Amino acid sequence: AQTVTQSQPEMSVQEAETVTLSCTYDTSESDYYLFWYKQPPSRQMILVIRQEAYKQQNATENRFSVNFQKAAKSFSLKISDSQLGDAAMYFCAYRRLNQGAQKLVFGQGTRLTINP
Amino acid sequence: DAGVIQSPRHEVTEMGQEVTLRCKPISGHNSLFWYRQTMMRGLELLIYFNNNVPIDDSGMPEDRFSAKMPNASFSTLKIQPSEPRDSAVYFCASSPTGVNTEAFFGQGTRLTVV
Repeated sequence: AQTVTQSQPEMSVQEAETVTLSCTYDTSESDYYLFWYKQPPSRQMILVIRQEAYKQQNATENRFSVNFQKAAKSFSLKISDSQLGDAAMYFCAYRRLNQGAQKLVFGQGTRLTINP
Repeated sequence: DAGVIQSPRHEVTEMGQEVTLRCKPISGHNSLFWYRQTMMRGLELLIYFNNNVPIDDSGMPEDRFSAKMPNASFSTLKIQPSEPRDSAVYFCASSPTGVNTEAFFGQGTRLTVV
C-alpha cells in the first residue's frame, strides 16, 4: 500500500520569505501523480500544484514550486515571497496513474504560520 | 459550476441518532469520494464510486456506516447509530474519469456527536 509522510507538523515563516514543506512517499508504482493541497481555516481543500511522476521537470505555479526527487521518493513544496493568505494546513497527496477512478492518499499535513 | 456541494455544513446530534450527510458532485464528474478528517487520523478515504458504482469501501469503519449513490448527481453517507467517536469533518470530492484529472472537494460537513 502507498503511504505519504509529512514529517513537519508545524512550520512558520516571516512574511515575504521562502519556506519549504517536506513530503516523502512510498510506492512500488513507477507512474503516479503527486499533489499539494491547501486547507485554510475555511476548511476548503484547494489544489495548489500537481506533479506527474513521468515528468522530470518540476512543476511550478506562480510562487509555488516543487522539488520532485523520484529516486528518493521526495516531493517538497517551496513557497516563495510568503503572504499572509498562505497560512493554512498543507497536505501532500499521492494518486496512482490509472484510467479509472483512483483514490488520493494523504499525508498528515503541515500547519504553516506566516508571521507579519 | 457551483462546485461540489455538501449539506449540511454543520451537524450536531445525540449519540444513537441516525445522521445523513449529502453530496452533489460537479456535473459531468464520474467519480465521487467520501473522506473523513480527524486530528488523530488525518484525511482518510471511506469509500469511492465510479459511475455510481461503489469501487472500494474498505475505508468504511464499520457496519454503522453506509453510502449510496442512486444517480450521477447525488450521494449520501449515513451513520446509524452515531457515536461520539464519529465526530469529524466529512468531505465529499468528485473528479472526471481520466488519466490527468484532479479531485475537487466540497466544503465539508462538521459532525459533532454528543
